[in-house]
Amino acid sequence: QKEVEQNSGPLSVPEGAIASLNCTYSDRGSQSFFWYRQYSGKSPELIMFIYSNGDKEDGRFTAQLNKASQYVSLLIRDSQPSDSATYLCAVNPSWGKLQFGAGTQVVVTP
Amino acid sequence: KAGVTQTPRYLIKTRGQQVTLSCSPISGHRSVSWYQQTPGQGLQFLFEYFSETQRNKGNFPGRFSGRQFSNSRSEMNVSTLELGDSALYLCASSQGTTGTEAFFGQGTRLTVV
Repeated sequence: QKEVEQNSGPLSVPEGAIASLNCTYSDRGSQSFFWYRQYSGKSPELIMFIYSNGDKEDGRFTAQLNKASQYVSLLIRDSQPSDSATYLCAVNPSWGKLQFGAGTQVVVTP
Repeated sequence: KAGVTQTPRYLIKTRGQQVTLSCSPISGHRSVSWYQQTPGQGLQFLFEYFSETQRNKGNFPGRFSGRQFSNSRSEMNVSTLELGDSALYLCASSQGTTGTEAFFGQGTRLTVV
């Protein structure tokens, strides 16, 4: 069983719609949870960070965390073509270490 | 505020050689962690340094090593390069405490021929 699991996609989303990305993790000791966006050939860019159960909103992005279910999700509202990228879920199971999922490729179609 | 700076951006090395990569974290950040990204394995954790001490280590052979200086800048060294070491090497900078964000540099693309 992979330690951080994401659907690989691609997730095809019409422009203006909501993209919903899911991530599950196995290490119950994980304290912090991250969503990164990575364009092809570029480095990961932090878009959301959450460490408390519940929702956290930042612009068009909402992260949701449920530690009891070991589940974290990302919603992208009003999806734009510029949102087309790979979205990486990462958890922080121990000091200074991020454990990444394989990433979900999102394709926003005009 | 300057971001995370990695040098060099690109490297081509021959099998058996060694290489040193550099990472300058965001000012005030005391933690630097290193990752290897390949198409097959994704992003994998190499090690993390905090205040010049290695605090955490991933499952990589001893050929991969690192260090951190008093100004928080970090270097990663790979000795006896193998073809499979070809990858994007990324460093991440953070304050190093629970509940803080981690920001990546632009990476060093290493090609071993």
